[in-house]
Amino acid sequence: DAGVIQSPRHEVTEMGQEVTLRCKPISGHNSLFWYRQTMMRGLELLIYFNNNVPIDDSGMPEDRFSAKMPNASFSTLKIQPSEPRDSAVYFCASSHGRSYEQYFGPGTRLTVT
Amino acid sequence: GDSVTQMEGPVTLSEEAFLTINCTYTATGYPSLFWYVQYPGEGLQLLLKATKADDKGSNKGFEATYRKETTSFHLEKGSVQVSDSAVYFCALSEHDMRFGAGTRLTVKP
Repeated sequence: DAGVIQSPRHEVTEMGQEVTLRCKPISGHNSLFWYRQTMMRGLELLIYFNNNVPIDDSGMPEDRFSAKMPNASFSTLKIQPSEPRDSAVYFCASSHGRSYEQYFGPGTRLTVT
Repeated sequence: GDSVTQMEGPVTLSEEAFLTINCTYTATGYPSLFWYVQYPGEGLQLLLKATKADDKGSNKGFEATYRKETTSFHLEKGSVQVSDSAVYFCALSEHDMRFGAGTRLTVKP
């Protein structure tokens, strides 16, 4: 298996622009997670999907952030409008369940200027 | 709620030194315990795990033993290499996965 695939690997955008991050989980995994990692705040769970349904979005920082999982092999995290404080590395991870070991993608490094 | 506390870094060692990174946990039940490693520019990856008390997880020369009596899961390696430089995360899983804050390890030649 190719592992969790994320795109793009790097994104540089201007404040106010819409940003869409993409994730393809490992085939057969029914759980998908979006994380944000910064030096100041460490690794933060943003949202958790189970069987394509958002179960826990308590970590989504504000309404500018939204996530979808239209099918078992694809998820998006959208930020609209983006702000400089959104600059971070965003990781997608998948697993067989919420309490099982997670497999992380390589991350998307987002820079908002 | 469930939580993990790991020693603050950064940790700097010389090559071939002994490594210990402390991790303690708080849980209401019987969680599984994990160590993940994050190499520069990459996502986290599972290093080792233990699912019940007294289990020892091991991989790539790293070991950790699930100690229920001390609620600990310390990571050890007898002789570190420059290639071990990374950030190490302790984690527990009972109902969901909870990660520690991470400990940055730098190994110098």
